[in-house]
Amino acid sequence: DGGITQSPKYLFRKEGQNVTLSCEQNLNHDAMYWYRQDPGQGLRLIYYSQIVNDFQKGDIAEGYSVSREKKESFPLTVTSAQKNPTAFYLCASSMKYSNQPQHFGDGTRLSIL
Amino acid sequence: AQKITQTQPGMFVQEKEAVTLDCTYDTSDQSYGLFWYKQPSSGEMIFLIYQGSYDEQNATEGRYSLNFQKARKSANLVISASQLGDSAMYFCAMRYSGAGSYQLTFGKGTKLSVIP
Repeated sequence: DGGITQSPKYLFRKEGQNVTLSCEQNLNHDAMYWYRQDPGQGLRLIYYSQIVNDFQKGDIAEGYSVSREKKESFPLTVTSAQKNPTAFYLCASSMKYSNQPQHFGDGTRLSIL
Repeated sequence: AQKITQTQPGMFVQEKEAVTLDCTYDTSDQSYGLFWYKQPSSGEMIFLIYQGSYDEQNATEGRYSLNFQKARKSANLVISASQLGDSAMYFCAMRYSGAGSYQLTFGKGTKLSVIP
């Protein structure tokens, strides 16, 4: 079955540590996205990528970094510069320039130790 | 700037009854799209229904319909014959174009609880 796989499901970060969240899709989608969700809030866009080796900052990119070396993969690194990283992180993908919906993974819940 | 407003933090509905979840939006774009997603307690986002700004008919998908009133900039979700499994967070989102791509902006959501 085609879909988006996020791992791990739960992740703990120590102070001063960088952590990487994985996102892989086999839907052959061009575009991929990372969102952050805080309790009782909607989703906010961190980074997005429309094509391999290219990505753009979203609304809350500070303290995060991404790469897009393969079409299928869009990992997100939460750096030590992100002072409040505790949140639920969702990865999504979609066809580029279309009215088709974004498809989401099951999310990664990140907490501070 | 694009903005989505969902004014109902929480809603209750009796099983088998219909319920309307409100969504208003603000945009200066002529071409845009509106989506509704369902988020169960497990966390995944499930796409429910889509309405394009140029679509003349209201979108329907099974028990879900979208009451699109363009002049009022509203895109309310109607769920008919509510089921216990409909208990979840519901998010309205708007597609907008920027920098040669399209992105979504989300509302803060409405928590729907279905009562047996």
